[in-house]
Amino acid sequence: GQNIDQPTEMTATEGAIVQINCTYQTSGFNGLFWYQQHAGEAPTFLSYNVLDGLEEKGRFSSFLSRSKGYSYLLLKELQMKDSASYLCAVLPVITGGGNKLTFGTGTQLKVEL
Amino acid sequence: DVKVTQSSRYLVKRTGEKVFLECVQDMDHENMFWYRQDPGLGLRLIYFSYDVKMKEKGDIPEGYSVSREKKERFSLILESASTNQTSMYLCASNIGGANEKLFFGSGTQLSVL
Repeated sequence: GQNIDQPTEMTATEGAIVQINCTYQTSGFNGLFWYQQHAGEAPTFLSYNVLDGLEEKGRFSSFLSRSKGYSYLLLKELQMKDSASYLCAVLPVITGGGNKLTFGTGTQLKVEL
Repeated sequence: DVKVTQSSRYLVKRTGEKVFLECVQDMDHENMFWYRQDPGLGLRLIYFSYDVKMKEKGDIPEGYSVSREKKERFSLILESASTNQTSMYLCASNIGGANEKLFFGSGTQLSVL
């Protein structure tokens, strides 16, 4: 089966750095996604990792360690608009068509002044 | 920009009613997906389709069916709505590769009374 764990809530201060962790246990692994979802809105893509290491994209970076079943999303220079839910999703196997992502329950990040 | 449009933002239905949720995407994507999102449970895949008239069950297909008669349109059908199907329903699509990011619609909040 699939199991993905991430903290339910986090609070951070504007201008600071926050790290949102995600651990997973899945049958096979073909990549890990991070999505951002503001309240009442659709999730939007942030990052995709399939190889170990850090991928940097502006203020956001995502890290993956396949041997540890671990990823994190790093948000720098936090802004109030970064208050949102952050969803970790794992692609367990490549199916014949489509991709059956398994999502974690999401981490609700609150950025305070 | 890719646009995934869900026909209704809010729906209220009665137990036992047949319910249709419609989703249209405008970027000629091969794959389309239906998820439901519940507090504490995250996003769960109901069904997906990787081609016209093709469908595969996701993790929680019971009580649902789908239809994909045209490439751009993917319908979710609740044959006989029940109160435990009260949820936020999200449609998504992507271009075809298993590691391709998903584009989500804004969601339909369905309440079954």
